[in-house]
Amino acid sequence: AQSVSQHNHHVILSEAASLELGCNYSYGGTVNLFWYVQYPGQHLQLLLKYFSGDPLVKGIKGFEAEFIKSKFSFNLRKPSVQWSDTAEYFCAVINTGRRALTFGSGTRLQVQP
Amino acid sequence: DAGVIQSPRHEVTEMGQEVTLRCKPISGHDYLFWYRQTMMRGLELLIYFNNNVPIDDSGMPEDRFSAKMPNASFSTLKIQPSEPRDSAVYFCASSTSLHGGMNEQFFGPGTRLTVL
Repeated sequence: AQSVSQHNHHVILSEAASLELGCNYSYGGTVNLFWYVQYPGQHLQLLLKYFSGDPLVKGIKGFEAEFIKSKFSFNLRKPSVQWSDTAEYFCAVINTGRRALTFGSGTRLQVQP
Repeated sequence: DAGVIQSPRHEVTEMGQEVTLRCKPISGHDYLFWYRQTMMRGLELLIYFNNNVPIDDSGMPEDRFSAKMPNASFSTLKIQPSEPRDSAVYFCASSTSLHGGMNEQFFGPGTRLTVL
């Protein structure tokens, strides 16, 4: 069965610090990869996605992610975080065998002003 | 477009009562998903539909849970009888069949269910 691992459960950063959140998945076939964000009390919103092509993808609000197929990884990055980035971040994978998202356990990011 | 619409937004009920959650997907989307979010288990799929047909219900916890999609614009998730361990946020999501059905999913605001 497919699984997604997010190794950072809770990250605390100061404003302007750089961010990198790890994500690894276990499926060996064709996958599409996503990062979703959930702001406090809100629903999930798409940050960015990877389907094919350039493994470095850019999303909204200055976020980017790099797909490294050999490492089964899709890490999320942002050069300089803001207080408004405080939220929970979910990595998710979908594969050809099952059209539903498999989510990681989430990373709670707290940005201190 | 109004996005995915869910109702009610909050539901508080007593153990043993029937609960019905409702979802209206984005017009033109042919995939509909029900997910549940809890502190213990995170986000997990309950069931999904393609063209109104249930495709994978392996995530439905037990017979107390049932889901229907009578038409392309409406789905329900029913819990009967409800139990305190069903307390969670239930999200509905929809997507198109682009990219082989592995397209991004759009989520509704969720229904926060509390079973006392």
